[in-house]
Amino acid sequence: NAGVTQTPKFRILKIGQSMTLQCTQDMNHNYMYWYRQDPGMGLKLIYYSVGAGITDKGEVPNGYNVSRSTTEDFPLRLELAAPSQTSVYFCASSYGGAGNSPLHFGNGTRLTVT
Amino acid sequence: QQQVKQSPQSLIVQKGGISIINCAYENTAFDYFPWYQQFPGKGPALLIAIRPDVSEKKEGRFTISFNKSAKQFSLHIMDSQPGDSATYFCAASYYNTDKLIFGTGTRLQVFP
Repeated sequence: NAGVTQTPKFRILKIGQSMTLQCTQDMNHNYMYWYRQDPGMGLKLIYYSVGAGITDKGEVPNGYNVSRSTTEDFPLRLELAAPSQTSVYFCASSYGGAGNSPLHFGNGTRLTVT
Repeated sequence: QQQVKQSPQSLIVQKGGISIINCAYENTAFDYFPWYQQFPGKGPALLIAIRPDVSEKKEGRFTISFNKSAKQFSLHIMDSQPGDSATYFCAASYYNTDKLIFGTGTRLQVFP
């Protein structure tokens, strides 16, 4: 079972460049999430989706965009990379909402913006 | 009101000892309190969760204690082992909602 797969594992971007972080899950979960993790700050929700075609902002959405065209995929787009976006990004999925069922996380993408 | 405050930031425990991590919340509408465990280079994984209708939940060496009146909950790891060395996150949510609010994490190191 692959679970939640994130690519790439590592990436270095220059300021102003764009990139897409890929996330796919094979558990047929409706709910998918993007978090960023910064040292001492815990996990902050960027965007989430409750099903294909539906997305909503989390706590820290500025500088990011998402789409959800299929149940399996939930890519995160950075349009104009800034040093403040240096972080570890985690994608997660769950069967029900995060308020009543476990989140299944991928192994993260470590992004550095210089 | 949306915050979950977690302490300590880091914790060092001898093998066989008890590890205790505390969390506090303000929003009395929260009614789902999970703990996630994260090993280096991996994503977090659900360890144990509790709802406020019980004061304690135990799974093996891991116990959540919940104090509704104090708006606090804690994770106790009995007989701590080096394999328990990880970062632990508490979290809170409203029942049947889509989002979790995470604490800032505690890095636990268990030395032999």
